Amino acid sequence: AQSVAQPEDQVNVAEGNPLTVKCTYSVSGNPYLFWYVQYPNRGLQFLLKYITGDNLVKGSYGFEAEFNKSQTSFHLKKPSALVSDSALYFCAVREPNYQGSQGNLIFGKGTKLSVKP
Amino acid sequence: DTAVSQTPKYLVTQMGNDKSIKCEQNLGHDTMYWYKQDSKKFLKIMFSYNNKELIINETVPNRFSPKSPDKAHLNLHINSLELGDSAVYFCASSQDLWQRDSYEQYFGPGTRLTVT
Repeated sequence: AQSVAQPEDQVNVAEGNPLTVKCTYSVSGNPYLFWYVQYPNRGLQFLLKYITGDNLVKGSYGFEAEFNKSQTSFHLKKPSALVSDSALYFCAVREPNYQGSQGNLIFGKGTKLSVKP
Repeated sequence: DTAVSQTPKYLVTQMGNDKSIKCEQNLGHDTMYWYKQDSKKFLKIMFSYNNKELIINETVPNRFSPKSPDKAHLNLHINSLELGDSAVYFCASSQDLWQRDSYEQYFGPGTRLTVT
């Protein structure tokens, strides 16, 4: 069964410093991985995805993520954090297409990112 | 020009009532989903719907029923509401099941359901 782990409940970063939000996954077959961000009282916004190709994926708002197959990780990164990046971040893996699935996303429990001025 | 919209945004109701949440997407997507986010922010798939095929998460009580009048709409009907149904419900859509470049899902703003 597919699963995603976000080991940190919260990450605290000073504005201007680099940030990393961790994600590890367990899948059968090729992993299709995603990062979403949720601002307070808002829906989830798609940030970036890894389907195939380059291990370093660039996404919205200056975020990027590195796919590491040997470590089964897909950590989210940003070189210089902004206070406005403070939000809840979700890593997700897509279930493969098979009977009983329609590409459902399996989400991690979320990591709260807090960026202080 | 909202991509995925839900109504209502907030819904407060009493135990035992029946309520519906509406979802519409104007992205031309083929697949739609309902997710439940609990008080700890944990997100879980409830239903997915593609080309009239409904996939139900086996943990979802049969008091919950999705209804799709057309490809752009997937409404969620809930019978006999219980306290434990209080949560935020998100609708989402994705373009295609088979094209890898279109795997990402786009989410609505959510409906906060409070059952008293």
